[in-house]
Amino acid sequence: AQRVTQPEKLLSVFKGAPVELKCNYSYSGSPELFWYVQYSRQRLQLLLRHISRESIKGFTADLNKGETSFHLKKPFAQEEDSAMYYCALGGGTSYGKLTFGQGTILTVHP
Amino acid sequence: NAGVTQTPKFQVLKTGQSMTLQCAQDMNHNSMYWYRQDPGMGLRLIYYSASEGTTDKGEVPNGYNVSRLNKREFSLRLESAAPSQTSVYFCASSEGSRGRQPQHFGDGTRLSIL
Repeated sequence: AQRVTQPEKLLSVFKGAPVELKCNYSYSGSPELFWYVQYSRQRLQLLLRHISRESIKGFTADLNKGETSFHLKKPFAQEEDSAMYYCALGGGTSYGKLTFGQGTILTVHP
Repeated sequence: NAGVTQTPKFQVLKTGQSMTLQCAQDMNHNSMYWYRQDPGMGLRLIYYSASEGTTDKGEVPNGYNVSRLNKREFSLRLESAAPSQTSVYFCASSEGSRGRQPQHFGDGTRLSIL
């Protein structure tokens, strides 16, 4: 069965500090991993996907198959990064279906 | 460039009333999904439609029905609303491709059941 775990429900940092949002997954096949961001009362937006290996808004995430992790990192957090972040896992049993983690609320203090 | 459009944005119902949430996408996507978002629970899949003409249960289907009206539209129906169905409902779509393509989300419907 597919499972995504985001161990931190809440994460607080100060502006300019590094931030890391953790994501661990359980999946026996070849995973497709995504990070979504949801700003206050807005729709979920795709932030990045592991296959793209790109940096969006200063965020990066590396797939570590040995540790089954896909942690999201940013070296210098900004106040506008405050949002809910979801890690999602695809590539599995049904067309297009994603399994989401429970989300981490990131608050960046001034 | 609308993407995924959900209606209504807000709704208040009384227990026992019925309601249909509408969702339409203009990206020619094959797959569509309905989620509910609750505090501390993240996003939970209610139903999905892998392609036009098919629907399948997700993680929390009880109390809901869906219709994939055509390739563009995927509606969610509450036949007899209960307070436990108070939530924010999101519709999403994707090209399909075994979860290797991202999902695109609508703005959500905030539903309160009194």
